[in-house]
Amino acid sequence: NAGVMQNPRHLVRRRGQEARLRCSPMKGHSHVYWYRQLPEEGLKFMVYLQKENIIDESGMPKERFSAEFPKEGPSILRIQQVVRGDSAAYFCASSPNADTEAFFGQGTRLTVV
Amino acid sequence: AQSVTQLGSHVSVSEGALVLLRCNYSSSVPPYLFWYVQYPNQGLQLLLKYTSAATLVKGINGFEAEFKKSETSFHLTKPSAHMSDAAEYFCAVRRPGADGLTFGKGTHLIIQP
Repeated sequence: NAGVMQNPRHLVRRRGQEARLRCSPMKGHSHVYWYRQLPEEGLKFMVYLQKENIIDESGMPKERFSAEFPKEGPSILRIQQVVRGDSAAYFCASSPNADTEAFFGQGTRLTVV
Repeated sequence: AQSVTQLGSHVSVSEGALVLLRCNYSSSVPPYLFWYVQYPNQGLQLLLKYTSAATLVKGINGFEAEFKKSETSFHLTKPSAHMSDAAEYFCAVRRPGADGLTFGKGTHLIIQP
């Protein structure tokens, strides 16, 4: 059973471009969480999704950020018109239900130049 | 609302010495508590978790943590440090039934030979 797979591992974007980060949860996991880690900081919760539904997006910036978890395929975190402040490591985690611990992927490190 | 405070952004111990990483939390209800370890450029790996069963929790790699409600603490310990323990450690809290984890800022553990 493969772990949580995130790709790409590293992503470089110029200011104003779009960034798409992908997360394939572990097999049998229908709950996905996205977190952002800024340098020297802990992880900050962004959004919680179940298949085809956004359950909690209280940690998402109001503009430029969106997330989806379609019926088929990976979860996508999309950042439009990236700015330098978006440079961070973005981690995805998945769990089979809301009451068990989540397993983390290795993250996507976004650098905006 | 819940929060996590990790005392000491950097902790240095000698190889073979006791490791003690401090974590205090605030939560309106008895929470679930977690310790994660992160090696450079890697994702987070769960060390141990407390979910209202035994207050002394044993985890992987010889680590353990004790939930003390009166002190609102969940400190992480290991009797004898090993060089391979050098990493970033994060304490996290989650209210039962809530979405996502709230993380502390992390403690960088340095092992001196």
